[in-house]
Amino acid sequence: GENVGLHLPTLSVQEGDNSIINCAYSNSASDYFIWYKQESGKGPQFIIDIRSNMDKRQGQRVTVLLNKTVKHLSLQIAATQPGDSAVYFCAEANTDKLIFGTGTRLQVFP
Amino acid sequence: SQTIHQWPATLVQPVGSPLSLECTVEGTSNPNLYWYRQAAGRGLQLLFYSVGIGQISSEVPQNLSASRPQDRQFILSSKKLLLSDSGFYLCAWRASGGGTEAFFGQGTRLTVV
Repeated sequence: GENVGLHLPTLSVQEGDNSIINCAYSNSASDYFIWYKQESGKGPQFIIDIRSNMDKRQGQRVTVLLNKTVKHLSLQIAATQPGDSAVYFCAEANTDKLIFGTGTRLQVFP
Repeated sequence: SQTIHQWPATLVQPVGSPLSLECTVEGTSNPNLYWYRQAAGRGLQLLFYSVGIGQISSEVPQNLSASRPQDRQFILSSKKLLLSDSGFYLCAWRASGGGTEAFFGQGTRLTVV
C-alpha cells in the first residue's frame, strides 16, 4: 500500500559493498514491478523492472528479486558507488495504476 | 522519442489562491497519465490518473482536481489552495496496456504561504 506519510528509512553502506533494498507490496493482482532511483529535487528515474511471471532479473550491477508468495521485492546493487546515493522506490502496477512503496534512502560512505 | 514537459518548476502561492499545473507529453499517443505528490522526505502519493481524454480517476479525496482536455495534456488544479497542498508534484506518462515503466517530468515544487 501507500505508506507515503512515513519518513524514509535509511540504508548506509560502504563504497564497494553490496546493497540490498527491500520493499513490500500490497496488491496480489499487481503484475508488473519497477524500481526507481530519485535524486534530490528530480523526478524518479527507471532502474529495472520485472514481470510477475519471473522471480529474478539482472541488469548492469543491479538485480531485482520478486517473491510473490510473501509480496516482497528487493533490489540488489553490486559494488555500490557514491553515485548510487539517492532514494530508491519500488512500484507495483497493473494495466492502469502505478503505486509507489515507501522508499529507502541509500547513503554510500567512502 | 518521447518527452514529457511539466511546468512551472517552482511556484509560491498564497493560501486561498487557485492553482493550475500543466503537463504535456510528446512522441506518443493515448498514454496513461499520472499526477503524484511528494512531501519532503517522503514517498510518492498517487493523486489522479487518466487512461484517456476526459477520463480521470481520483485516488484520494482532496482539495485538488485533474483534467485531460487533450490526449497528451494533463492538468492539475485547485480553486483554493491550502497550506497542506505544499509539496513536490510530479507528472508521469506510461504506455497504455500496462507492462511498461512510467516516465516522469522534472516536477513542480509548490509552496503555499
